[in-house]
Amino acid sequence: NAGVMQNPRHLVRRRGQEARLRCSPMKGHSHVYWYRQLPEEGLKFMVYLQKENIIDESGMPKERFSAEFPKEGPSILRIQQVVRGDSAAYFCASSSYSDTQYFGPGTRLTVL
Amino acid sequence: DQQVKQNSPSLSVQEGRISILNCDYTNSMFDYFLWYKKYPAEGPTFLISISSIKDKNEDGRFTVFLNKSAKHLSLHIVPSQPGDSAVYFCAARYNNDMRFGAGTRLTVKP
Repeated sequence: NAGVMQNPRHLVRRRGQEARLRCSPMKGHSHVYWYRQLPEEGLKFMVYLQKENIIDESGMPKERFSAEFPKEGPSILRIQQVVRGDSAAYFCASSSYSDTQYFGPGTRLTVL
Repeated sequence: DQQVKQNSPSLSVQEGRISILNCDYTNSMFDYFLWYKKYPAEGPTFLISISSIKDKNEDGRFTVFLNKSAKHLSLHIVPSQPGDSAVYFCAARYNNDMRFGAGTRLTVKP
């Protein structure tokens, strides 16, 4: 039973480009969460999604960031026009409802 | 808003001794608490949890204590082993809203 998968593991983008981060939840999980960890900081909640629905996006910046979890396929976190301050580790977690969240290995985004 | 706080950024203990990691929270609506362990370049790994209706949960060398009146929880690791060296995150949850502390880096010296 595969765990939470994230790809790519490392992503390098130049300022102004777009970054797409993918997350495949554990089998049987329909809830996906995205977190960001800046250097020397804890995990900051960004967005919580169920299939085809955004449940809570209170932690996501209003501009340039978007997330989706389509009926088929992985969840996508999209960052448009990246800036250096977007450089961070982005973690995805999945769960069944009200159950423990299990994390993927993360995507390390570097913006040059 | 820092609803979950881990005030000690780092902790160093000797192998075989007890490690105590602390966590405070402010939101009384939280009803479930978790500890995650994170190694460099990996995702957080679930370690142990406790419901708000309990005050203690034990799993092998790991015990979590919850003091609801003080809004405080702690993780005890005994005996500590070098392989326990990692960053430990405390998390508090209400429904599916989960908030993390900033983490405590534990170093267990041989």
